[in-house]
Amino acid sequence: EDQVTQSPEALRLQEGESSSLNCSYTVSGLRGLFWYRQDPGKGPEFLFTLYSAGEEKEKERLKATLTKKESFLHITAPKPEDSATYLCAVPQSQAGTALIFGKGTTLSVSS
Amino acid sequence: DVKVTQSSRYLVKRTGEKVFLECVQDMDHENMFWYRQDPGLGLRLIYFSYDVKMKEKGDIPEGYSVSREKKERFSLILESASTNQTSMYLCASSLRFRETQYFGPGTRLLVL
Repeated sequence: EDQVTQSPEALRLQEGESSSLNCSYTVSGLRGLFWYRQDPGKGPEFLFTLYSAGEEKEKERLKATLTKKESFLHITAPKPEDSATYLCAVPQSQAGTALIFGKGTTLSVSS
Repeated sequence: DVKVTQSSRYLVKRTGEKVFLECVQDMDHENMFWYRQDPGLGLRLIYFSYDVKMKEKGDIPEGYSVSREKKERFSLILESASTNQTSMYLCASSLRFRETQYFGPGTRLLVL
């Protein structure tokens, strides 16, 4: 069964304290992995797409990496404005069109 | 920039009312999606559409219907709203299957 699991569910950091969020998946024939950021009461905002193991993408303090079984979202020297829920998603492995979303990691960064 | 808009940010309806949620995208995307998001359950797909007048059920279609008469517009209909349909409703669109989905701002629906 296709599945996406994110850990931890919640993460509290001090400003400047770097850390990583994990997204592990079980789908056959990965066709991309997507990272989103969601602020409270708003729709998810697209961050990155990764397609192959070893690929990395960066945006400001965020760097996403991909292996054959998981992806990491590394946050370097976070600021309070990085506080949000981070979601990852992968396409279904069968012929379906849907993305399967993890339940997200809620990040809180305090100053 | 891709823009997906939703007709309302907040809605309050009574049990049994018919509810229309509308979504519009301006990027000529083929595919459009409706999700609901609930605490602890994450995003769940209700319906999607891959072309005008075409629709497919997602994981939780019961109690909902959809309409896509124009490529840019995708409507979610609650035929008879119930309290268990209180939720955040999110619309998304993508150019092709399995590609990046772009989300609207969401509609928070409260059914009393």
